[in-house]
Amino acid sequence: AQSVTQLDSQVPVFEEAPVELRCNYSSSVSVYLFWYVQYPNQGLQLLLKYLSGSTLVESINGFEAEFNKSQTSFHLRKPSVHISDTAEYFCAVKGAAGNKLTFGGGTRVLVKP
Amino acid sequence: EAGVTQFPSHSVIEKGQTVTLRCDPISGHDNLYWYRRVMGKEIKFLLHFVKESKQDESGMPNNRFLAERTGGTYSTLKVQPAELEDSGVYFCASSQGRGAGGNTIYFGEGSWLTVV
Repeated sequence: AQSVTQLDSQVPVFEEAPVELRCNYSSSVSVYLFWYVQYPNQGLQLLLKYLSGSTLVESINGFEAEFNKSQTSFHLRKPSVHISDTAEYFCAVKGAAGNKLTFGGGTRVLVKP
Repeated sequence: EAGVTQFPSHSVIEKGQTVTLRCDPISGHDNLYWYRRVMGKEIKFLLHFVKESKQDESGMPNNRFLAERTGGTYSTLKVQPAELEDSGVYFCASSQGRGAGGNTIYFGEGSWLTVV
């Protein structure tokens, strides 16, 4: 079984400032790691994922996340946020031998002008 | 290519009534999943179909919930009778391929259910 903890339920941030969303997980097996985003009035969209290889993964809109196996973390960062990044962000894990995702509680990011 | 579509997008029903949610996965995706998020809680797995077969239904909360996937295409999730604690967002998702792996799971926009 896996579990995911997102340490911050809400993160207010000013436009063009950096943001970091923390995610820690626990699992007794190897896992794949994901970040999903839900923009207002929309469904969940995959932002980025870590399967293997380089521990730093990037999205097309400037987000990056780093897998840290020793700390069992997969924190999400963006060096400069835009108003359009206002959304709820979900960290999720999937066992390498399984099919279902286990989600964290979500972090609401509110970007202020 | 159409994404995962869900219907209805919003539903308000009275306690004790029945509601049926429908999901059309991405064409060609054998795997179909139902998840839900009740207010203030995490998104939780409900069940997983591979084609028309239930692969894992360990997350179904009780026998008031019935999921079907006739012919391995669209799926329905019926709640009968609905209770207040069933209120939340029900997400459907789909993915390609059999078995485990890093295949991306694509989500729909969710069906918002309010039981009053």
